[in-house]
Amino acid sequence: GAGVSQSPSNKVTEKGKDVELRCDPISGHTALYWYRQRLGQGLEFLIYFQGNSAPDKSGLPSDRFSAERTGESVSTLTIQRTQQEDSAVYLCASSLDDLYEQYFGPGTRLTVT
Amino acid sequence: AQSVAQPEDQVNVAEGNPLTVKCTYSVSGNPYLFWYVQYPNRGLQFLLKYITGDNLVKGSYGFEAEFNKSQTSFHLKKPSALVSDSALYFCAVREEFMKTSYDKVIFGPGTSLSVIP
Repeated sequence: GAGVSQSPSNKVTEKGKDVELRCDPISGHTALYWYRQRLGQGLEFLIYFQGNSAPDKSGLPSDRFSAERTGESVSTLTIQRTQQEDSAVYLCASSLDDLYEQYFGPGTRLTVT
Repeated sequence: AQSVAQPEDQVNVAEGNPLTVKCTYSVSGNPYLFWYVQYPNRGLQFLLKYITGDNLVKGSYGFEAEFNKSQTSFHLKKPSALVSDSALYFCAVREEFMKTSYDKVIFGPGTSLSVIP
């Protein structure tokens, strides 16, 4: 079956512009996560959606970052007024619920020039 | 609060030798434990998990991990390393019972494994 998909795969933007990153989870997965990974580094948790509960936004690094999820489907991560330090790979993952393993998308590589 | 540690940033092993990537955790109740692998320029993949039952868990690509409750560890092992095993490995943990809506899986910082031909 289809895995987690993310778009775009690559995004180059100028400093100060807004960007939207999209994640399509596996159908039926109630849990959805966004992470940030800088080159050669670990996973930095950003935000977590579980079913209809309020999202856990505790990992968002600043108010320039926000995310939405439509029901139990697609999620969008928005970064406003991008800065060079936002350059990283943004990973999305979904799972049946948070007791189960996560399935990761291929990521969006964001470069802010 | 739950936490997970991977005490080694880098592990080097010769091809054909056994490999171990270490993971220790801290939870107040029973843990759910996971290992993930990230091959160069590829996405993260699930390797194996421990939920309950046999302490020795077998996973993909010949990997296995042993749950040790007394030592709060979940080390990843493989009897004979391949060059193609060179990758970044992440351990993750979650409490069995969610106490707040903010409980979630926590990932360790990762261990870079290099298998030398």
